[in-house]
Amino acid sequence: NAGVTQTPKFQVLKTGQSMTLQCAQDMNHEYMSWYRQDPGMGLRLIHYSVGAGITDQGEVPNGYNVSRSTTEDFPLRLLSAAPSQTSVYFCASSRKVTGSNSPLHFGNGTRLTVT
Amino acid sequence: AQKITQTQPGMFVQEKEAVTLDCTYDTSDQSYGLFWYKQPSSGEMIFLIYQGSYDEQNATEGRYSLNFQKARKSANLVISASQLGDSAMYFCAMREGRTNAGKSTFGDGTTLTVKP
Repeated sequence: NAGVTQTPKFQVLKTGQSMTLQCAQDMNHEYMSWYRQDPGMGLRLIHYSVGAGITDQGEVPNGYNVSRSTTEDFPLRLLSAAPSQTSVYFCASSRKVTGSNSPLHFGNGTRLTVT
Repeated sequence: AQKITQTQPGMFVQEKEAVTLDCTYDTSDQSYGLFWYKQPSSGEMIFLIYQGSYDEQNATEGRYSLNFQKARKSANLVISASQLGDSAMYFCAMREGRTNAGKSTFGDGTTLTVKP
């Protein structure tokens, strides 16, 4: 199993450009989420999804859109890139369980630089 | 207020010794879970250990154990017999509630360096 696959690994954008970060998982997990990691900080939740067709905002959603048309895929769209969006982006998935015992499975991350 | 606090930005430990990484949390939920993740310099995030709020025993996974003190709202990670490969950043995270939608809150992390 591949687990959670993110592409691309690295990306450089100019201010104002748009792009889509791809995320796919093959574990049939119900939950998927996007986090960003800035230097010296932990991960902050951007958007999440509890299933196909259902998405919601996390802690830092501004400037990003998501959609979830299938269980497997959860792309993150940057509408108009800004230097403040320079960060490492992680996609994660987890099983739907009653209770909290369901760790996040992470992709390998996308390092995005906006100039 | 921060929900997860890791007060040690950096820690050093001698190879083969034990080390404790601190984590305190804040929640009003009775049902929650606490997780530790490891991030090596290569950048991936690796799940290490989980502790549920209703678990009476401290969690253990190989050389990792979680010192859970519910009244003090602390969930410290103990790594026994440190190895050079343990050098990494470690994140404490919390998932609140019984239907949590996969959302977790992370601390700012502790960078652990194991000295030979």
